[in-house]
Amino acid sequence: GAVVSQHPSRVICKSGTSVKIECRSLDFQATTMFWYRQFPKQSLMLMATSNEGSKATYEQGVEKDKFLINHASLTLSTLTVTSAHPEDSSFYICSASSTGMETQYFGPGTRLLVL
Amino acid sequence: QKEVEQNSGPLSVPEGAIASLNCTYSDRGSQSFFWYRQYSGKSPELIMFIYSNGDKEDGRFTAQLNKASQYVSLLIRDSQPSDSATYLCAVNQGGKLIFGQGTELSVKP
Repeated sequence: GAVVSQHPSRVICKSGTSVKIECRSLDFQATTMFWYRQFPKQSLMLMATSNEGSKATYEQGVEKDKFLINHASLTLSTLTVTSAHPEDSSFYICSASSTGMETQYFGPGTRLLVL
Repeated sequence: QKEVEQNSGPLSVPEGAIASLNCTYSDRGSQSFFWYRQYSGKSPELIMFIYSNGDKEDGRFTAQLNKASQYVSLLIRDSQPSDSATYLCAVNQGGKLIFGQGTELSVKP
């Protein structure tokens, strides 16, 4: 149980375009979803926390107008990187949790390369 | 001071040995602690979590927590080459996981 999927697994885009990443909880209802970013040889950095039906809470230093997060249902959250630039190239990982769960369950990640 | 600190390694151990991974945290109010394993290019996978002082064993893995000293460790017995990965320590702070930078473990055949 507690399976989280992400789509796409890998995306290459041109600078200035927008990219949408989907995160789905497949076998449970996720009241909370988290979005992380990981640069090479670095740890996971939390970008934002989203609760179903509410606006996302962004961590300090993360631009909410650049990284749009939508958590419209209990099984789906999306992260849209708007006007992507090469410095946005990274490994984006979502996780999901629900009331009563002891921890978060991670998706497989999306590798974004902006040319 | 970082909130969660780990030695980045790499930590190299021979196959069959015990690997010891350590983590310290700064928030004395933290209540739950997690160890994740991350293979290169993959997302983290949960190994185990611990809430109470003392040891918690799960197969070849033992987590140790000492809240007074604010450290948590992970022991891997009978290390295998397949255990070679980066091990991430995470601390729950207000519902958010704060990760250390990870320790790279290499198990040599």
